[in-house]
Amino acid sequence: DARVTQTPRHKVTEMGQEVTMRCQPILGHNTVFWYRQTMMQGLELLAYFRNRAPLDDSGMPKDRFSAEMPDATLATLKIQPSEPRDSAVYFCASGHLRGVFYNEQFFGPGTRLTVL
Amino acid sequence: EDKVVQSPLSLVVHEGDTVTLNCSYEVTNFRSLLWYKQEKKAPTFLFMLTSSGIEKKSGRLSSILDKKELFSILNITATQTGDSAIYLCAVEDGNTDKLIFGTGTRLQVFP
Repeated sequence: DARVTQTPRHKVTEMGQEVTMRCQPILGHNTVFWYRQTMMQGLELLAYFRNRAPLDDSGMPKDRFSAEMPDATLATLKIQPSEPRDSAVYFCASGHLRGVFYNEQFFGPGTRLTVL
Repeated sequence: EDKVVQSPLSLVVHEGDTVTLNCSYEVTNFRSLLWYKQEKKAPTFLFMLTSSGIEKKSGRLSSILDKKELFSILNITATQTGDSAIYLCAVEDGNTDKLIFGTGTRLQVFP
């Protein structure tokens, strides 16, 4: 049963601390997305990768957020230093571009981040 | 600026009712429109629509796209308490491959 996995599922930290979230996309998918979801803003795209190369990270505050994909089985999202306004659920999703039309994106279970 | 707008924001119904959820969009390079259901955890895929006028059905759920008027509807007939969730509409941008999400419709179905 192929699925996207994310760790940790929950993270509580203090302002100023570094936070690292990890995602394992579905094997064979060539595109990985990072989203943030809050009550106020809904789902926002932060960054995404195609074949491990970053294509767009314009949704991320670049001074504190960074996203990488060190290999095909791991994507990371880091926040340093974290701030209370970063509190949200962070979702990773993977998909596979086939021809013209995209396959649906499969979402991981999310990391619920609380920054005190 | 590209945007996806869903209505209503919230809906409360009784079991057995039929509901219609709306999604309108302004996206420069439309490729597809997707509907997701989000319960307590991650969004799960329902439908992908690419052509106007062709209804997609899955059990009590159905959806249709109008590319001329730039909207889609999601219908749920004979609602059940298990249909309670946030329903998200997203439009895929063909230039960037990004999904642009609406803020969702929160559906609550009471017995």
